[in-house]
Amino acid sequence: DIVMTQSPDSLAVSLGERATINCKSSQSVLYSYTNKNYLAWYQQKAGQPPKLLFYWASTRESGVPDRFSGSGSGTDFTLTISSLQAEDVAVYYCQQYYSTPPTFGQGTKVEIK
Amino acid sequence: QLQLQVSGPGLVKPSETLSLSCTVSGDSISSTSYYWGWIRQPPGKGLEWIGSIYSSGSTSYNPSLKSRVTISVDTSKKHFSLKLSSVTAADTAVYYCARLPRGFGAALHFDYWSQGTLVTVSS
Repeated sequence: DIVMTQSPDSLAVSLGERATINCKSSQSVLYSYTNKNYLAWYQQKAGQPPKLLFYWASTRESGVPDRFSGSGSGTDFTLTISSLQAEDVAVYYCQQYYSTPPTFGQGTKVEIK
Repeated sequence: QLQLQVSGPGLVKPSETLSLSCTVSGDSISSTSYYWGWIRQPPGKGLEWIGSIYSSGSTSYNPSLKSRVTISVDTSKKHFSLKLSSVTAADTAVYYCARLPRGFGAALHFDYWSQGTLVTVSS
């Protein structure tokens, strides 16, 4: 199985400041045939199901605010919230769909400082 | 607007079989553009993929659960189902169903999720 490791486990950021979450996969999730990174990001607010934010590492899902951005390739990926809003308090997960079984990172909890 | 609704018992006894159903509305479960899957989340913990199914009935299971899992689809009734046998307390979790787009011949990310349902394994 591909192991997904996120860092940090939690972070507290002031409103309006930048939040950065890292995700590292135990092997590359870049498929050379398609030249795509098989990596998604999700946001899970308390008591709710996860919500898709990005797929192909950096393709923003419809309706996701542009203060969110996804980047990276190969084994190292980043989710950035450029200006943290109160409604962004959540746990964020990365997930690889390069190989079966699809696997998730352990999650990063984002709070307001 | 796609909606996924999980139904089934919230309490299952140890060694018995957990059975859940996911009803799909607002989209065709027979679509060749999507897979349909199950994911679970133990209380306070992370996400674990259980398995997925295509409209043809082709399935893929997490190797860690494969011996106990069966996922089936009923296209006429617009739902797909999960059965997990020989459950223990470790199977206590919130269970989600979800849709996965099909791309380059494979299942991709999870783009729509149901509300979760908590299943507790306890006598």
